[in-house]
Amino acid sequence: GAVVSQHPSRVICKSGTSVKIECRSLDFQATTMFWYRQFPKQSLMLMATSNEGSKATYEQGVEKDKFLINHASLTLSTLTVTSAHPEDSSFYICSAGDRSNTGELFFGEGSRLTVL
Amino acid sequence: AQRVTQPEKLLSVFKGAPVELKCNYSYSGSPELFWYVQYSRQRLQLLLRHISRESIKGFTADLNKGETSFHLKKPFAQEEDSAMYYCALRGTGANNLFFGTGTRLTVIP
Repeated sequence: GAVVSQHPSRVICKSGTSVKIECRSLDFQATTMFWYRQFPKQSLMLMATSNEGSKATYEQGVEKDKFLINHASLTLSTLTVTSAHPEDSSFYICSAGDRSNTGELFFGEGSRLTVL
Repeated sequence: AQRVTQPEKLLSVFKGAPVELKCNYSYSGSPELFWYVQYSRQRLQLLLRHISRESIKGFTADLNKGETSFHLKKPFAQEEDSAMYYCALRGTGANNLFFGTGTRLTVIP
């Protein structure tokens, strides 16, 4: 199956700094990628849909200035958490679907962010 | 609004026993339903989708539109089935998935 890779898998940062998480589709092109956030023992919550070459679509309640998404190529989307605060600590997961439109999404391994 | 409900956060069964993970959904159109699984220390991966009507690893799930359910079933649980299971819905014309809260299945040897 298709592979989606995230980097870094773990990151610790100080409050007020910015952190960038990369999501790459390794063996397929993804015009659309999705960023999810998962709190402990809770479900995955869709944060935004990343569209190659255009602005991301954010879900209600997600601050677009806080979570900057860039999808500059068909294989790379980045999520930047700006001016991070401890409450931003979470598990961030990206996913992408290939163009077969079967509905299957392929998930990255996730990135655990800890803000001190 | 769409909603996916998995009423059981935790489910334990003995090896060889039947297992059923419940999933109910709320959606005004005709959704596509999926089951995703996450084994320990692994990423989320697709287990099965309702349109395929397939059996994967002995698991099956039937979409019941009358009851708006998509329960996951397996007649004889195996230890390797222990994992986190998520029911997910894709709305008409949408690309993203909407997930339930997940059920952690533990199969007791």
